[in-house]
Amino acid sequence: GAVVSQHPSWVICKSGTSVKIECRSLDFQATTMFWYRQFPKQSLMLMATSNEGSKATYEQGVEKDKFLINHASLTLSTLTVTSAHPEDSSFYICSASIRGVNTEAFFGQGTRLTVV
Amino acid sequence: QKEVEQNSGPLSVPEGAIASLNCTYSDRVSQSFFWYRQYSGKSPELIMSIYSNGDKEDGRFTAQLNKASQYVSLLIRDSQPSDSATYLCAVNTPGGSYIPTFGRGTSLIVHP
Repeated sequence: GAVVSQHPSWVICKSGTSVKIECRSLDFQATTMFWYRQFPKQSLMLMATSNEGSKATYEQGVEKDKFLINHASLTLSTLTVTSAHPEDSSFYICSASIRGVNTEAFFGQGTRLTVV
Repeated sequence: QKEVEQNSGPLSVPEGAIASLNCTYSDRVSQSFFWYRQYSGKSPELIMSIYSNGDKEDGRFTAQLNKASQYVSLLIRDSQPSDSATYLCAVNTPGGSYIPTFGRGTSLIVHP
């Protein structure tokens, strides 16, 4: 399968600071990238969908000014958690796919964010 | 609202048995279906995709699709303790932005 690399795999930051998470498709050009958040023992929650070169589409209830998503190229999308608070502590996962109904999405390794 | 339903489990099976995981979906025009495995603390990994009615086999895994009944299942033969994980069903529907809809996942426990 295709490889999606997510960095960092874990990060601890102080409350009020910002954290940037990178998601790269290493061996294919991803027209679409998805960002998810997952709390312990809960299901994946889609935060936003980003298409290369256009603004991200956020799911209802997700603050776009807090979770900044940039998809500047076909191989890179970034999620920046701004002014992080302890309740933002979670497992953030990106996935990437080539636009089309029959194409699967491949996941990055995930980023464990802890805000102290 | 597209929905993908899975029994959260846990489904507990003995080592060597067949584990059967089921998923139903609400949108009749859904076209492609995926099974992902997620170990605790890790991100999901794709294990099977299926697009047409019938069975698709890959090693110990068999995906089954029945579009008329709107369900897709995953069979794991000769279950091993290493298969213990949460299995996520995902469905893609044509039109729109092709956002996959995930079920909440079924927890599988394979005990020795």
